[in-house]
Amino acid sequence: ETGVTQSPTHLIKTRGQQVTLRCSSQSGHNTVSWYQQALGQGPQFIFQYYREEENGRGNFPPRFSGLQFPNYSSELNVNALELDDSALYLCASRVDSLSYEQYFGPGTRLTVT
Amino acid sequence: GNSVTQMEGPVTLSEEAFLTINCTYTATGYPSLFWYVQYPGEGLQLLLKATKADDKGSNKGFEATYRKETTSFHLEKGSVQVSDSAVYFCALSSNNAGNMLTFGGGTRLMVKP
Repeated sequence: ETGVTQSPTHLIKTRGQQVTLRCSSQSGHNTVSWYQQALGQGPQFIFQYYREEENGRGNFPPRFSGLQFPNYSSELNVNALELDDSALYLCASRVDSLSYEQYFGPGTRLTVT
Repeated sequence: GNSVTQMEGPVTLSEEAFLTINCTYTATGYPSLFWYVQYPGEGLQLLLKATKADDKGSNKGFEATYRKETTSFHLEKGSVQVSDSAVYFCALSSNNAGNMLTFGGGTRLMVKP
């Protein structure tokens, strides 16, 4: 039990739609990262937020965006969904951006049809 | 850029067998190294870590030693149990990459009674 929660657990969307995934970090953790894990692969880094500002981004297009709120919650938004966006989306929180120990939530399974 | 390569699975063992899962990495600077475990339908759990060369991480009977000379971080366990069946991910993070995690592709371990 990491204290990091995500919602919803599962989600089915249609190509072209928009989706918002939510994460609640551990209390006191001011850094949150999002990862995409396609079936049978390792997680890929999407972006990171530190004190409500994006401060790192992986190789993902701008239609992947995020928000972080003062209450340790965060969102991942994906516009214009594509079939290849089907994946498990994981958020991970940590005490600050210099800390290497990240605590993962259980993930949201997104299926795009 | 940073990368992690781990042996492909699945690895199938009988209970009480010896386990080795190979992991090698490419990174600039001095990365921290991790093994994460993912049980079916769940998110990632940190299994063990090592933050500098020659460090040995250990947890729940699993061990891995940070070998800078061979850029390796192989996971070992002397006697596996059925409950160890899961997917194992080797990962690294480095200060020059914002401490984001770079994962290998994962190795599925199946332990038979």
